[in-house]
Amino acid sequence: DVQLVESGGGLVQPGGSLRLSCAASGFTFSNYWMSWVRQAPGKGLEWVANIKEDGSDKYYVDSVKGRFTISRDNAKNSLYLQMNSLRAEDTAVYYCAKDLGYLAFDIWGQGTMVAVSS
Amino acid sequence: QSALTQPPSASGSPGQSVTISCTGTSSDVGSYNYVSWYQQHPGKAPRLMIYEVNKRPSGVPDRFSGSKSGNTASLTVSGLQAEDEADYYCSSYAASRVFGGGTKLTVL
Repeated sequence: DVQLVESGGGLVQPGGSLRLSCAASGFTFSNYWMSWVRQAPGKGLEWVANIKEDGSDKYYVDSVKGRFTISRDNAKNSLYLQMNSLRAEDTAVYYCAKDLGYLAFDIWGQGTMVAVSS
Repeated sequence: QSALTQPPSASGSPGQSVTISCTGTSSDVGSYNYVSWYQQHPGKAPRLMIYEVNKRPSGVPDRFSGSKSGNTASLTVSGLQAEDEADYYCSSYAASRVFGGGTKLTVL
């Protein structure tokens, strides 16, 4: 089965850091762009970042530039999101998603919750 | 670049058809056939329902269809069923915020 499984979420204080992971299976991970998408409680979907198949290109939404870093390890079929200087407004469920290459997402993980609060 | 605009709500009775719009600009929806639609039930991950304006992934019922005219894309759900009640989001390549604000579809 094609599957994405996120992990690493939790409660963190403002200014803190967290690293999210996404384990992929059932497809050739190294052949696809991958994205992180988040959803604040009761709000809509927000694309956060994406990364090219080989990791050479990365793009971010303005609100996380300089604070978040997307990366991948194709040997481990894994996607990561390093989140630093976290703010209350980063509180959300974070989904990893397989990207068809033009910001369309055909496979989604179940999501991992990140709560930023003191 | 600009955000994609969706109506906050839509509704229909079982068996009826309902159409949800997604309005962008000539720089995103109007320029690319890369509009997608997602269904999201409460507490669940989004599910891709339509990609490249009008293509359905395997397993998506043919009651769901997509179209585009100018800067506006549309999702039509025909033969509404209770399980279609969900939030629906559009997305487009080159849109500044990628996703529209979402439409809550209620089956009356």
